[in-house]
Parts: sequence; structure tokens; C-alpha cells
Amino acid sequence: ELKVEQNPLFLSMQEGKNYTIYCNYSTTSDRLYWYRQDPGKSLESLFVLLSNGAVKQEGRLMASLDTKARLSTLHITAAVHDLSATYFCAVVPLNTGNQFYFGTGTSLTVIP
Amino acid sequence: DSGVTQTPKHLITATGQRVTLRCSPRSGDLSVYWYQQSLDQGLQFLIQYYNGEERAKGNILERFSAQQFPDLHSELNLSSLELGDSALYFCASSATGTSGRAGTDTQYFGPGTRLTVL
Repeated sequence: ELKVEQNPLFLSMQEGKNYTIYCNYSTTSDRLYWYRQDPGKSLESLFVLLSNGAVKQEGRLMASLDTKARLSTLHITAAVHDLSATYFCAVVPLNTGNQFYFGTGTSLTVIP
Repeated sequence: DSGVTQTPKHLITATGQRVTLRCSPRSGDLSVYWYQQSLDQGLQFLIQYYNGEERAKGNILERFSAQQFPDLHSELNLSSLELGDSALYFCASSATGTSGRAGTDTQYFGPGTRLTVL
């Protein structure tokens, strides 16, 4: 059974601190997506990582992909309250066409 | 505003009934994706259409079906509804998605339809 595991599931951090969210998956893939969801809202695409070693940055968020380790990270730098949201990763396995498999999500709360 | 519209926003219905959810993609986007989000099962990919053709199928039940019309809007039909079908249903659109693998371009999500089955 394909698994996409995120940790931590819940994260409470102070403003100004750094932290990393991890996304481990159990299949062969070269394609990983990160999304953000605010409470009661829809999803927003953050990053599309398309190859081993891919790194993308937007503001205080940086995502990376290690396909050999089957691991993606979402690093938060100097957190601010506006980053409070739930973050999801999703993987598309190599041999299943275009099927997306989502992680359980990481609920991030940034405390002033 | 992502440019993706979904109707209705809320839908309350009874078990055994059939409903249709509608999604209009961003202008120019050819791909439409459908997702289900529930507390029990989290986020699940249901199906993708590209320019009217089914491109990928995920965990979509046989009671569910979808299609994309020539004007590129899409409908998700849910029939013989069960209590467990209560969820948020999102659609997303992207510009491409024509290749053999999932689209490399950004997906833009609609606001969702909240379905409650009583």
C-alpha cells in the first residue's frame, strides 16, 4: 500500500523561528507537490518539484526533493503569523499515470 | 480569487439521492481535477480530465462519475449517496496536463462544494 507520511502532524512555533516539515513517501516518484490550506478555505498550490535535488523557494518557504531517499522537506524560515495553515504534500508515483496521493497534512500554528 | 468557480457552495441531501457538482476552470485552462476532502479519509484525488478526455483516475467510486464538456467546464455526478460521501469536493484547473505524467504546471483550486448527506 502506498503511503505518504508527513511529520509532524501538528506544529506550534514562535514567530521568528525556523522549522522543517517532512514528507516521506513509499513509492518511486520524481514529482512532488506542496499545498497550503487555510482554515475553512480551499487549497493553494505552493511548489511543484520535478526532479531529484529540486529546490524551490518562495518568501519564507523553501521546498526540496530527494527522490532517492523518497523525502521532501518544506523549510520555514523566520516564521510569521501569516504562515499559520495546514500544509499538504502529494506525490505522483511513476507507474500510476497521473494519480495524486496526499499526505495527512501538517497543521502549523505560528505564535506571536 | 483563483478564477476557478464551483457551484453550489453547499449541498444538503438525503441518502440514496443523486447530485451534480459543477466546476468552471480558469479561462484557458484545459485540465480539470476533482478531489474529495473528508475527516475520515483526508484528501483524495478522484479524477482528471484534459480537454474533454479522461486523463487519470484515482480513488473514485463506481457510484461517482465525471465528465468535461466542450466548453471545458466539468461536472461530478454522485449517485446512491451514502452518509460517508459527506465531504468537501474541490476542483482544480491547470493549463496543461496532456503528457503521460501529471501536469508540471500549477493547479488553481476552486472554493469547493460542501456536501452533506443526511
